[in-house]
Amino acid sequence: DTGVSQNPRHKITKRGQNVTFRCDPISEHNRLYWYRQTLGQGPEFLTYFQNEAQLEKSRLLSDRFSAERPKGSFSTLEIQRTEQGDSAMYLCASSLSPGGANTEAFFGQGTRLTVV
Amino acid sequence: AQSVAQPEDQVNVAEGNPLTVKCTYSVSGNPYLFWYVQYPNRGLQFLLKYITGDNLVKGSYGFEAEFNKSQTSFHLKKPSALVSDSALYFCAVRYSSASKIIFGSGTRLSIRP
Repeated sequence: DTGVSQNPRHKITKRGQNVTFRCDPISEHNRLYWYRQTLGQGPEFLTYFQNEAQLEKSRLLSDRFSAERPKGSFSTLEIQRTEQGDSAMYLCASSLSPGGANTEAFFGQGTRLTVV
Repeated sequence: AQSVAQPEDQVNVAEGNPLTVKCTYSVSGNPYLFWYVQYPNRGLQFLLKYITGDNLVKGSYGFEAEFNKSQTSFHLKKPSALVSDSALYFCAVRYSSASKIIFGSGTRLSIRP
């Protein structure tokens, strides 16, 4: 395990369909983040987990978005009833619990979602 | 509000010249500060961080950054730019051990030969 893994890398879906993305963090990392990035913009925070507990969810996130990390290892991000505005790169990152020196997050390559 | 700003959308530098990419953060406690780089169609790669201690931190690929508490800045620098440094650079901040990481809007660095 050399890094954060995201699947699928690309997803094209029709408007109104549900999609689910998976993230496998670095194995010893107990913190996991989801971000959304549109072209040329900075990553926008969606939610994060400490082990299996979801500690914060962005107020910008509609009820169509849900994330889980049931066993404190991999995580899934589901978008229900997709809209064209959901088209973006969805990034996952993981880190050790902050408080020590190793507080930086490491990112996966992302899942690019296109809603047609 | 907790935030981080990158005032320049684009920075253009000739190869071999020094480069600076600016970052400022809103004042709130003792921040943890980071720089990331993103190449086309790739995820973000960690470059360097400031947690505590020396204000000048060194990172990957010859980059360094200077933490300035009085100016609430964390500018990224490199003494001699390479064409291969051309990419999108993001500054990020975490304000406490419990909080999320917040990213700036990014600066596109373009190094001309």
